[in-house]
Amino acid sequence: DAKTTQPPSMDCAEGRAANLPCNHSTISGNEYVYWYRQIHSQGPQYIIHGLKNNETNEMASLIITEDRKSSTLILPHATLRDTAVYYCIVRPPNDYKLSFGAGTTVTVRA
Amino acid sequence: SQTIHQWPATLVQPVGSPLSLECTVEGTSNPNLYWYRQAAGRGLQLLFYSVGIGQISSEVPQNLSASRPQDRQFILSSKKLLLSDSGFYLCAWTRDGRNSPLHFGNGTRLTVT
Repeated sequence: DAKTTQPPSMDCAEGRAANLPCNHSTISGNEYVYWYRQIHSQGPQYIIHGLKNNETNEMASLIITEDRKSSTLILPHATLRDTAVYYCIVRPPNDYKLSFGAGTTVTVRA
Repeated sequence: SQTIHQWPATLVQPVGSPLSLECTVEGTSNPNLYWYRQAAGRGLQLLFYSVGIGQISSEVPQNLSASRPQDRQFILSSKKLLLSDSGFYLCAWTRDGRNSPLHFGNGTRLTVT
């Protein structure tokens, strides 16, 4: 069972920041938050992950609330190629199993 | 760098026929390996995972089986395909169990007719 809740869809204007929310209210203290995206007919692509602190890489930023019950993935300047399904998951420690929910379908419009 | 190869990319098979999908990882040793299935319009479902040669854990009882004959090779099989086996099959790997990201192959789209 997925342990996260995401909105089913959202639209974003090209060139603007896209903020994708994720609720993980039952997250344990040592579970990481991971974000992936999947472009149609391709395998999911790893974006970013974090535990407590905010994280940034060349693709995105991850903001995790202080209570860790929710997080936001930020795509700073969305492009048409960012149109994809975005998955937020939490990973238990020393557990090799991961389950993906339905994710958020993000559509970037020109 | 590490790469994951999965083939074939697409496959159309009749009901009752056997199945063999192969996945290999290059550039790393002793990876954890996973098979997922994605039905149309739905999220990913974990089918099997393996932490070592010959070690297979099944998550969902079904018509499929998995094997890991070599360290970086993971095979998904079926003796007799069902219509319900249609879907998008993804192989993935991680370095170990300590919060390393999953890296996915490009998937195999299986249609059982």
